[in-house]
Amino acid sequence: NAGVTQTPKFQVLKTGQSMTLQCAQDMNHNSMYWYRQDPGMGLRLIYYSASEGTTDKGEVPNGYNVSRLNKREFSLRLESAAPSQTSVYFCASSRLPDSNQPQHFGDGTRLSIL
Amino acid sequence: AQKITQTQPGMFVQEKEAVTLDCTYDTSDPSYGLFWYKQPSSGEMIFLIYQGSYDQQNATEGRYSLNFQKARKSANLVISASQLGDSAMYFCAMSPYNQGGKLIFGQGTELSVKP
Repeated sequence: NAGVTQTPKFQVLKTGQSMTLQCAQDMNHNSMYWYRQDPGMGLRLIYYSASEGTTDKGEVPNGYNVSRLNKREFSLRLESAAPSQTSVYFCASSRLPDSNQPQHFGDGTRLSIL
Repeated sequence: AQKITQTQPGMFVQEKEAVTLDCTYDTSDPSYGLFWYKQPSSGEMIFLIYQGSYDQQNATEGRYSLNFQKARKSANLVISASQLGDSAMYFCAMSPYNQGGKLIFGQGTELSVKP
């Protein structure tokens, strides 16, 4: 059981480069989320997709775009990477977009921007 | 503003003893969910336990229990009979009602279990 799969696991970029982080879940979940975790801090929500066809901004959306490609896949794009976006990125999914639903997380993508 | 506060950056506990990790939250919503996650040094986020704001009883999952005091807005995690494998970061999180299921996380508590 793969659960939530994120690719790549590690990436180094130069300032100004673009890249897309991929996320796929095989649990037939409706809702998907992107978080970032900076050193010594908890996770902060970047964007989320409550259901297929919808996306909404979270707490820290600036510099990012997302695409809910289908029910399984939710990608995060950095159009012009900045050193402040160096972080660990987590994708998560839940069965429904409700406050009683636990989220299941991928293993994270460690992104460094030089 | 909705916020989660974990005031213990680091905690030590002796193997086989119980430990309580503190969590307080701030919200004006009457309905919300509270979660605890474990993050080992390998980095993944593992769901441990859930408590609903209207649940009358404290949640329990194996060696984990949640000491929920709604009036004090606290949701402390109790780990009984600590094991070496419990050494990790622990995050408290809140999901506000009708906001897409998003989670608001605290800063985390690093737990070290001593043999």
